[in-house]
Amino acid sequence: DADVTQTPRNRITKTGKRIMLECSQTKGHDRMYWYRQDPGLGLRLIYYSFDVKDINKGEISDGYSVSRQAQAKFSLSLESAIPNQTALYFCATSDPGPGQPQHFGDGTRLSIL
Amino acid sequence: EDKVVQSPLSLVVHEGDTVTLNCSYEVTNFRSLLWYKQEKKAPTFLFMLTSSGIEKKSGRLSSILDKKELFSILNITATQTGDSAIYLCAGLPNAGNNRKLIWGLGTSLAVNP
Repeated sequence: DADVTQTPRNRITKTGKRIMLECSQTKGHDRMYWYRQDPGLGLRLIYYSFDVKDINKGEISDGYSVSRQAQAKFSLSLESAIPNQTALYFCATSDPGPGQPQHFGDGTRLSIL
Repeated sequence: EDKVVQSPLSLVVHEGDTVTLNCSYEVTNFRSLLWYKQEKKAPTFLFMLTSSGIEKKSGRLSSILDKKELFSILNITATQTGDSAIYLCAGLPNAGNNRKLIWGLGTSLAVNP
């Protein structure tokens, strides 16, 4: 089983719909992250959480919200999806120690029509 | 503003060639530089470099950091088609609990048989 699991793997939906992307991890890491990846723009941080009670905005948080339900679960919501939110979304986790690498899930490919 | 710049953006080589990928960085209070390989799914961690001049090596891949000139290189010798991927580098600042990776846009490497 994957250490960082994202669901769904692919999703196509319409403008205005509410969407939730889920991430769960078995690595026991405290820190979790949501990124989106777009061609030519690289990986951009949406939100991150350093523990269950900690939520922080990343560089592109507008239009998104998150919930850290437990140490192992971190979900990303699009309250009212718009086409420019079409992207590949990654969840990642890391240990809190200095310079610990991030471990990524396999991604969710989201298309907003 | 912190930034990480990778070059070239894309590269096509033949099997057996040696390639060098470049990553320059401007990261406030720099701590480490990380290299990742992204095939069709999740980025996977390759190396973390913190000290200047100390080569990290894993099989045919090696990397080194120059903290004076603010860059890192990733070398791949005797390339194989399985090395085809996007190679990402990211800078990690040493800023207490608010450490976030600064990502480059990646180098897309294609290794032809």
